[in-house]
Amino acid sequence: DSGVTQTPKHLITATGQRVTLRCSPRSGDLSVYWYQQSLDQGLQFLIQYYNGEERAKGNILERFSAQQFPDLHSELNLSSLELGDSALYFCASSPQLSGQPNTEAFFGQGTRLTVV
Amino acid sequence: QKEVEQDPGPLSVPEGAIVSLNCTYSNSAFQYFMWYRQYSRKGPELLMYTYSSGNKEDGRFTAQVDKSSKYISLFIRDSQPSDSATYLCAMGKDTGGFKTIFGAGTRLFVKA
Repeated sequence: DSGVTQTPKHLITATGQRVTLRCSPRSGDLSVYWYQQSLDQGLQFLIQYYNGEERAKGNILERFSAQQFPDLHSELNLSSLELGDSALYFCASSPQLSGQPNTEAFFGQGTRLTVV
Repeated sequence: QKEVEQDPGPLSVPEGAIVSLNCTYSNSAFQYFMWYRQYSRKGPELLMYTYSSGNKEDGRFTAQVDKSSKYISLFIRDSQPSDSATYLCAMGKDTGGFKTIFGAGTRLFVKA
């Protein structure tokens, strides 16, 4: 168990809908990262928050948004869902902002999103 | 062209074999080089990381980074059936935050 908790584990929804994925980082970790993993695109970095602030952005669609709350949990909001958004969404956490002193990020078990 | 290229395999080897996994990359700005292992239906877990060039060894695992060739490798000695998983290489850079780019992952099967 990595200590990172993601809910829900599975989510099935229809095209055009909006969903919220939740992540609780390991105790004390200030950085939260979101990733999307699909068969055709692999594991893609979406966004990083550190202590409530957005600090790095990857290939995140405009229909997606995230935030990190004062208690450090994070939510990823996906709207106007399309079939192609079906994927595993991972959250990871780490203690630091950058790659130093080490790069270890602990991943949650993921949320499997199916858009029908 | 993808920033990180990794052969998806699958790679099948007998138990006890030495496994070699490789990635190439195009962005010379990458500073951190990682290998993650992902079992089916689980999140990735970090195996090895290297900052800049060089080798790093941890038990049966050795990671090598050659920045001049933009090439990284992971070697697994005395491979075990429990090593059967997908291995993802990853590259990171400090951007005021930390951004990681993953390879496609290589599926490894170690046969008993």
